[in-house]
Amino acid sequence: QVTLKESGPVLVKPTETLTLTCTVSGFSLNKPRMGVTWIRQPPGKALEWLAHIFANDDESYNTSLKTRLTISKDTSKSQVVLVMTNVDPVDTATYYCARINIMGTNYGMDVWGQGTSVTVSS
Amino acid sequence: SYELTQPFSVSVALGQTARITCGGNNIESKNVHWYQQRPGQAPVLIMYRNANRPSGIPERFSGSNSGHTATLTISRAQAGDEADYFCQVWDYTTVLFGGGTKLTVL
Repeated sequence: QVTLKESGPVLVKPTETLTLTCTVSGFSLNKPRMGVTWIRQPPGKALEWLAHIFANDDESYNTSLKTRLTISKDTSKSQVVLVMTNVDPVDTATYYCARINIMGTNYGMDVWGQGTSVTVSS
Repeated sequence: SYELTQPFSVSVALGQTARITCGGNNIESKNVHWYQQRPGQAPVLIMYRNANRPSGIPERFSGSNSGHTATLTISRAQAGDEADYFCQVWDYTTVLFGGGTKLTVL
């Protein structure tokens, strides 16, 4: 069974750095034609893609947030980490990680984590 | 940059057919994926590559993509179909989501 689980702080102060971890099970981060993506959703609003990383280490970022984001993976720990610098209250959201399945669903995000809620406030 | 447009809300009578659209310039040239998000839950992939259902998704859900509009069709709508629905495409190496449509089953 494939699962993803997000973890990270519940509360972060403005200007601080937010580090989120996605721990996966049921598949390897080295599995060809698979990737992991981070998506967020402010309360009551739409989904916003943040970044993704593939098994071959190809990565991509939301253009509007690129200067603040870094995505990386640790295959031995089955973890994908997203770092967001200089957070602001507008970054308050539920953050999801999801698997990108290139072969099975033609780049659809076929398994999602439950999400982790992050509030940015002083 | 590429944009996806969804109606803010759609209503459907119980047992009737709901159609949720996702507009984009020449969207037929892209593969459209659809996600269902029930209140308080994570999104779930319900349609991939325009018209393909993942295992476990009822046949009542179908999809199409033509011209500038992709459509998610929900037949015989049930109370449990009340949710937000998001379309999604890839624009080169980046991911775009539509603004989401809230489906209300009356």
